[in-house]
Amino acid sequence: GENVEQHPSTLSVQEGDSAVIKCTYSDSASNYFPWYKQELGKRPQLIIDIRSNVGEKKDQRIAVTLNKTAKHFSLHITETQPEDSAVYFCAASPNQAGTALIFGKGTTLSVSS
Amino acid sequence: NAGVTQTPKFRILKIGQSMTLQCTQDMNHNYMYWYRQDPGMGLKLIYYSVGAGITDKGEVPNGYNVSRSTTEDFPLRLELAAPSQTSVYFCASSPARGQYFGPGTRLTVT
Repeated sequence: GENVEQHPSTLSVQEGDSAVIKCTYSDSASNYFPWYKQELGKRPQLIIDIRSNVGEKKDQRIAVTLNKTAKHFSLHITETQPEDSAVYFCAASPNQAGTALIFGKGTTLSVSS
Repeated sequence: NAGVTQTPKFRILKIGQSMTLQCTQDMNHNYMYWYRQDPGMGLKLIYYSVGAGITDKGEVPNGYNVSRSTTEDFPLRLELAAPSQTSVYFCASSPARGQYFGPGTRLTVT
């Protein structure tokens, strides 16, 4: 089955810096890769996703890149703000819907002002 | 729309007790899921459903059961609670892309 590894487990940056979180996956059949943000005590919230026929996707300050050959994908947050502090999870799935997401273990991002 | 709702928000069970975690969505999504999240860990899939009457096991199904008699409801049953089932349980539903999570149920088994 699919296995998703996520690094780093913790990341501390200064406000305004960029943050990068990386994930690798094992199943070459996976073609859908969402990212979730979870604030303390809250539910995970979808922030961006990408399908394998796309190499990069941007939404304002966040972007996701995918290298299907190497089986890794990354989340990039630019101009970080204190409200970006949260736990971020990557996930992989062979489909956008109807199939389980396999999650990484999460990255705790701390943005200090 | 209320989205995905879960009840109860908190529950303390004694070892060996049973309970049902309720999950309801009002978005007419076909796909629904149950995950558990242990402290400092990611989410592990327990069971999922692709439509009413259809359920399938996820990564960690042992000790749990589900049913899907309607599109809206996807309850999770714990038959004989064990301390290892202490966790936060999230229900999610999915349209064509992404999964949308409920607020979670924090369960403690002592």
